[in-house]
Amino acid sequence: EVQLVQSGAEVKKTGESLKISCKASGYSFRSYWIGWLRQTPGQGLEWMGTAYLDDSDNRYSPSFRGHVTMSVDESTTTAFLQWNNLKASDTAMYYCARGTSSWFFFDYWGQGTPVTVSS
Amino acid sequence: QSVLTQPPSTSATPGQRVTISCSGSSSNIGSNSVIWFQQFPGTAPKFLIYTNDKRPSGVPDRFSGSKSGTSASLAINGLQSDDEAVYYCAAWDGSLNGPVFGGGTTLTVL
Repeated sequence: EVQLVQSGAEVKKTGESLKISCKASGYSFRSYWIGWLRQTPGQGLEWMGTAYLDDSDNRYSPSFRGHVTMSVDESTTTAFLQWNNLKASDTAMYYCARGTSSWFFFDYWGQGTPVTVSS
Repeated sequence: QSVLTQPPSTSATPGQRVTISCSGSSSNIGSNSVIWFQQFPGTAPKFLIYTNDKRPSGVPDRFSGSKSGTSASLAINGLQSDDEAVYYCAAWDGSLNGPVFGGGTTLTVL
C-alpha cells in the first residue's frame, strides 16, 4: 500500500527554523518525485516545489524560492521541507504528494502538516 | 489569486448532473492535460481524474472529465450526498515548470 506519512503539527515563533518530513512507503521511491504544496483558506492550493533524489534537480515555485529548502533522503525514503526564518504568513497546512511527470502527478498525498507561526 | 479559474461554488439536488468548469491558458491547460482532485473537510485532496478524462481505480464512473482548448470540465452524474466536497482542477504550466491549480469549487448537494 502506497503511503506518505507526514510529521505532526508544529507551533513556532516568527524567525525560528522548522523542518517537516514526509515518509514514503509501499512503492519504488526512486521512480517518483515528491512535491510540496501549501493550502490556506485565502490562497487555496499552491505548488511550492518539487524535490528529487539529486538536490541540484529541485524545482521551486518563484513564490517560495529562497524561503524554503527541499531535500530527500533515499536511505529512509523521506522527503523534507525546511524553513530558516519563519514568518506569520507561513501559517498554513502543508502537504507532500508524489508524481512522475507533467501529466501524472499527486496521485497519493500525505495527511498534511499544520504549521502555525505567531509572533 | 489562482492561475486556473473555477466557479467558487455550485449546487444541485441528489440524482442530478453537475458540471464544474476550469479555465486556463495556452501555457497550462492549452498544452498539458488536466487533473481533478476532490477534497473533504479536514482531509487531503484525493486524485479523481487524470489525463483529462481517465479515472483511477476506485473512482465511480459517475465522475468524468473533458478538455477542449484551454478549458476543462468535471461532470458528476447521479449526484449523491457524499459527493459534497471541494473540487480542484490542476495542470502543468510550461512557463512555471510546475503545476498550477484552480481556486476550488465547493459543491453543495441540496
